[in-house]
Amino acid sequence: DSGVTQTPKHLITATGQRVTLRCSPRSGDLSVYWYQQSLDQGLQFLIQYYNGEERAKGNILERFSAQQFPDLHSELNLSSLELGDSALYFCASSAVLGAETQYFGPGTRLLVL
Amino acid sequence: AQSVTQLDSHVSVSEGTPVLLRCNYSSSYSPSLFWYVQHPNKGLQLLLKYTSAATLVKGINGFEAEFKKSETSFHLTKPSAHMSDAAEYFCAVSANTGGFKTIFGAGTRLFVKA
Repeated sequence: DSGVTQTPKHLITATGQRVTLRCSPRSGDLSVYWYQQSLDQGLQFLIQYYNGEERAKGNILERFSAQQFPDLHSELNLSSLELGDSALYFCASSAVLGAETQYFGPGTRLLVL
Repeated sequence: AQSVTQLDSHVSVSEGTPVLLRCNYSSSYSPSLFWYVQHPNKGLQLLLKYTSAATLVKGINGFEAEFKKSETSFHLTKPSAHMSDAAEYFCAVSANTGGFKTIFGAGTRLFVKA
Protein backbone atom coordinates (compact mmCIF):
# COMPACT_ATOMS: atom_id res chain seq x y z
CA ASP A 1 0.00 0.00 0.00
CA SER A 2 1.57 3.27 -1.18
CA GLY A 3 -0.53 5.52 1.04
CA VAL A 4 -2.07 7.26 -1.97
CA THR A 5 -5.82 6.76 -2.29
CA GLN A 6 -7.98 7.24 -5.34
CA THR A 7 -11.72 7.20 -5.72
CA PRO A 8 -13.66 5.77 -7.36
CA LYS A 9 -11.92 2.56 -8.39
CA HIS A 10 -14.15 2.11 -11.41
CA LEU A 11 -16.30 4.52 -13.35
CA ILE A 12 -18.61 3.79 -16.26
CA THR A 13 -20.19 6.70 -18.07
CA ALA A 14 -21.45 7.81 -21.46
CA THR A 15 -19.95 9.99 -24.15
CA GLY A 16 -20.45 13.68 -23.57
CA GLN A 17 -20.59 13.34 -19.82
CA ARG A 18 -18.34 14.84 -17.15
CA VAL A 19 -16.64 12.99 -14.30
CA THR A 20 -14.41 13.88 -11.37
CA LEU A 21 -11.63 11.67 -10.12
CA ARG A 22 -10.30 12.21 -6.64
CA CYS A 23 -6.85 11.63 -5.17
CA SER A 24 -5.52 11.89 -1.63
CA PRO A 25 -1.72 11.99 -1.48
CA ARG A 26 0.44 10.32 1.13
CA SER A 27 0.46 12.11 4.44
CA GLY A 28 2.91 15.00 4.21
CA ASP A 29 3.40 14.89 0.45
CA LEU A 30 2.94 18.27 -1.21
CA SER A 31 3.19 17.28 -4.85
CA VAL A 32 0.50 15.47 -6.83
CA TYR A 33 0.78 14.11 -10.35
CA TRP A 34 -1.88 12.77 -12.70
CA TYR A 35 -1.23 10.17 -15.38
CA GLN A 36 -3.32 8.46 -18.02
CA GLN A 37 -2.54 4.88 -18.99
CA SER A 38 -4.07 3.37 -22.10
CA LEU A 39 -3.11 0.51 -24.38
CA ASP A 40 -2.34 2.71 -27.35
CA GLN A 41 -0.73 5.68 -25.61
CA GLY A 42 1.01 3.97 -22.72
CA LEU A 43 1.60 5.96 -19.52
CA GLN A 44 1.21 9.66 -20.20
CA PHE A 45 1.95 12.46 -17.76
CA LEU A 46 -0.98 14.87 -17.57
CA ILE A 47 -0.30 17.49 -14.93
CA GLN A 48 1.48 18.20 -11.66
CA TYR A 49 0.49 20.32 -8.68
CA TYR A 50 2.66 21.40 -5.81
CA ASN A 51 1.12 22.82 -2.65
CA GLY A 52 -1.94 23.99 -4.51
CA GLU A 53 -0.22 25.44 -7.57
CA GLU A 54 0.11 23.98 -11.03
CA ARG A 55 3.81 23.31 -11.69
CA ALA A 56 4.09 21.21 -14.84
CA LYS A 57 1.82 20.28 -17.69
CA GLY A 58 2.06 17.33 -19.99
CA ASN A 59 -0.29 15.92 -22.61
CA ILE A 60 -3.46 17.10 -20.96
CA LEU A 61 -6.43 17.85 -23.20
CA GLU A 62 -8.29 21.15 -22.88
CA ARG A 63 -11.39 19.15 -21.89
CA PHE A 64 -9.49 18.00 -18.81
CA SER A 65 -8.66 20.12 -15.80
CA ALA A 66 -7.31 19.55 -12.34
CA GLN A 67 -6.83 21.31 -9.06
CA GLN A 68 -5.22 20.75 -5.70
CA PHE A 69 -7.07 21.91 -2.64
CA PRO A 70 -5.73 23.42 0.61
CA ASP A 71 -5.90 20.02 2.30
CA LEU A 72 -3.66 18.79 -0.58
CA HIS A 73 -6.13 16.37 -2.11
CA SER A 74 -6.52 16.73 -5.84
CA GLU A 75 -9.30 16.28 -8.36
CA LEU A 76 -9.08 15.59 -12.06
CA ASN A 77 -12.12 16.73 -14.03
CA LEU A 78 -12.80 15.15 -17.40
CA SER A 79 -15.57 16.69 -19.51
CA SER A 80 -17.21 16.10 -22.88
CA LEU A 81 -16.00 12.55 -22.61
CA GLU A 82 -15.15 10.57 -25.71
CA LEU A 83 -14.70 6.84 -26.23
CA GLY A 84 -10.96 7.38 -26.46
CA ASP A 85 -10.84 8.76 -22.92
CA SER A 86 -11.38 5.25 -21.60
CA ALA A 87 -8.23 4.50 -19.65
CA LEU A 88 -6.69 3.95 -16.26
CA TYR A 89 -6.01 7.24 -14.49
CA PHE A 90 -3.30 7.26 -11.87
CA CYS A 91 -2.50 9.77 -9.24
CA ALA A 92 0.95 9.87 -7.67
CA SER A 93 2.44 11.97 -4.92
CA SER A 94 5.89 12.96 -3.79
CA ALA A 95 7.25 14.79 -0.79
CA VAL A 96 8.75 17.79 -2.53
CA LEU A 97 9.10 19.35 -5.93
CA GLY A 98 11.84 17.67 -7.90
CA ALA A 99 13.05 14.32 -9.11
CA GLU A 100 11.66 12.60 -6.12
CA THR A 101 10.22 9.14 -5.88
CA GLN A 102 6.59 9.19 -6.85
CA TYR A 103 4.17 6.97 -4.96
CA PHE A 104 1.32 5.78 -7.11
CA GLY A 105 -2.26 5.18 -6.15
CA PRO A 106 -4.20 2.12 -7.35
CA GLY A 107 -5.83 4.06 -10.18
CA THR A 108 -9.33 4.78 -11.40
CA ARG A 109 -10.49 2.75 -14.37
CA LEU A 110 -12.73 4.87 -16.59
CA LEU A 111 -14.91 3.31 -19.24
CA VAL A 112 -16.75 5.62 -21.62
CA LEU A 113 -19.57 3.94 -23.54
CA ALA B 1 13.82 17.34 -24.48
CA GLN B 2 13.70 14.01 -22.76
CA SER B 3 12.76 10.59 -23.96
CA VAL B 4 12.93 6.99 -22.87
CA THR B 5 13.10 3.92 -25.06
CA GLN B 6 12.53 0.47 -23.68
CA LEU B 7 14.06 -1.77 -26.25
CA ASP B 8 11.87 -4.83 -25.68
CA SER B 9 8.10 -4.86 -25.39
CA HIS B 10 8.16 -8.44 -24.06
CA VAL B 11 10.83 -10.52 -22.36
CA SER B 12 10.40 -14.15 -21.43
CA VAL B 13 12.75 -15.99 -19.05
CA SER B 14 12.71 -19.23 -17.13
CA GLU B 15 12.51 -19.20 -13.37
CA GLY B 16 15.99 -19.09 -11.85
CA THR B 17 17.64 -17.51 -14.92
CA PRO B 18 18.88 -13.92 -15.18
CA VAL B 19 16.65 -11.04 -16.15
CA LEU B 20 17.74 -8.15 -18.38
CA LEU B 21 15.33 -5.34 -19.24
CA ARG B 22 16.86 -2.66 -21.44
CA CYS B 23 16.30 1.07 -21.27
CA ASN B 24 17.94 3.89 -23.20
CA TYR B 25 17.28 7.50 -22.41
CA SER B 26 17.81 10.91 -23.90
CA SER B 27 18.05 14.07 -21.87
CA SER B 28 19.58 17.49 -22.36
CA TYR B 29 19.95 17.81 -18.61
CA SER B 30 21.39 15.78 -15.78
CA PRO B 31 18.64 13.22 -15.44
CA SER B 32 17.30 11.13 -12.66
CA LEU B 33 16.31 7.67 -13.79
CA PHE B 34 13.80 5.28 -12.33
CA TRP B 35 12.49 1.77 -12.75
CA TYR B 36 8.93 1.04 -11.69
CA VAL B 37 7.02 -2.25 -11.66
CA GLN B 38 3.31 -2.66 -12.25
CA HIS B 39 1.57 -5.88 -11.33
CA PRO B 40 -1.83 -6.59 -12.90
CA ASN B 41 -4.56 -4.24 -11.73
CA LYS B 42 -2.14 -2.39 -9.46
CA GLY B 43 -0.45 0.99 -9.42
CA LEU B 44 3.22 1.46 -10.15
CA GLN B 45 5.78 0.70 -7.47
CA LEU B 46 9.30 2.09 -7.43
CA LEU B 47 12.02 -0.54 -7.81
CA LEU B 48 15.03 1.76 -7.79
CA LYS B 49 16.26 5.19 -8.80
CA TYR B 50 19.47 6.88 -9.91
CA THR B 51 20.08 10.48 -8.91
CA SER B 52 23.74 11.18 -9.75
CA ALA B 53 25.27 9.21 -6.92
CA ALA B 54 26.61 5.68 -7.41
CA THR B 55 26.16 4.45 -10.97
CA LEU B 56 25.19 0.95 -9.82
CA VAL B 57 21.90 1.20 -8.05
CA LYS B 58 20.39 -1.56 -5.96
CA GLY B 59 16.66 -1.78 -5.57
CA ILE B 60 14.05 -3.92 -3.97
CA ASN B 61 13.46 -7.62 -4.63
CA GLY B 62 17.01 -8.22 -5.83
CA PHE B 63 16.88 -5.87 -8.82
CA GLU B 64 19.68 -3.54 -9.74
CA ALA B 65 20.47 -1.16 -12.58
CA GLU B 66 23.60 0.47 -13.90
CA PHE B 67 23.71 4.02 -15.19
CA LYS B 68 26.02 4.26 -18.20
CA LYS B 69 26.29 7.82 -19.39
CA SER B 70 28.43 6.97 -22.40
CA GLU B 71 25.80 4.54 -23.64
CA THR B 72 22.81 6.57 -22.34
CA SER B 73 21.50 3.36 -20.85
CA PHE B 74 19.95 2.29 -17.58
CA HIS B 75 19.33 -1.44 -17.91
CA LEU B 76 17.57 -3.38 -15.17
CA THR B 77 18.92 -6.76 -14.09
CA LYS B 78 18.25 -9.51 -11.64
CA PRO B 79 20.44 -12.60 -11.21
CA SER B 80 17.62 -15.09 -10.77
CA ALA B 81 14.01 -14.63 -11.81
CA HIS B 82 11.09 -15.63 -9.61
CA MET B 83 7.56 -16.32 -10.73
CA SER B 84 6.45 -13.31 -8.70
CA ASP B 85 8.59 -11.06 -10.93
CA ALA B 86 6.13 -11.47 -13.79
CA ALA B 87 4.79 -7.95 -14.34
CA GLU B 88 5.17 -4.85 -16.48
CA TYR B 89 8.28 -2.76 -15.94
CA PHE B 90 8.62 0.91 -16.75
CA CYS B 91 11.78 2.93 -17.12
CA ALA B 92 11.40 6.67 -16.50
CA VAL B 93 13.50 9.81 -16.76
CA SER B 94 13.05 13.07 -14.91
CA ALA B 95 15.00 16.31 -15.02
CA ASN B 96 14.59 19.94 -14.11
CA THR B 97 13.46 21.44 -17.38
CA GLY B 98 11.85 24.42 -15.73
CA GLY B 99 9.55 22.00 -13.94
CA PHE B 100 10.08 18.32 -13.29
CA LYS B 101 8.27 16.15 -15.79
CA THR B 102 8.69 12.43 -15.57
CA ILE B 103 8.64 10.68 -18.92
CA PHE B 104 7.88 6.97 -18.89
CA GLY B 105 8.90 4.37 -21.42
CA ALA B 106 6.35 2.18 -23.16
CA GLY B 107 6.94 -0.65 -20.73
CA THR B 108 8.38 -4.16 -20.93
CA ARG B 109 6.22 -7.10 -19.98
CA LEU B 110 8.23 -9.78 -18.22
CA PHE B 111 7.03 -13.37 -18.45
CA VAL B 112 8.56 -15.97 -16.15
CA LYS B 113 8.23 -19.62 -17.10
CA ALA B 114 8.27 -22.40 -14.53
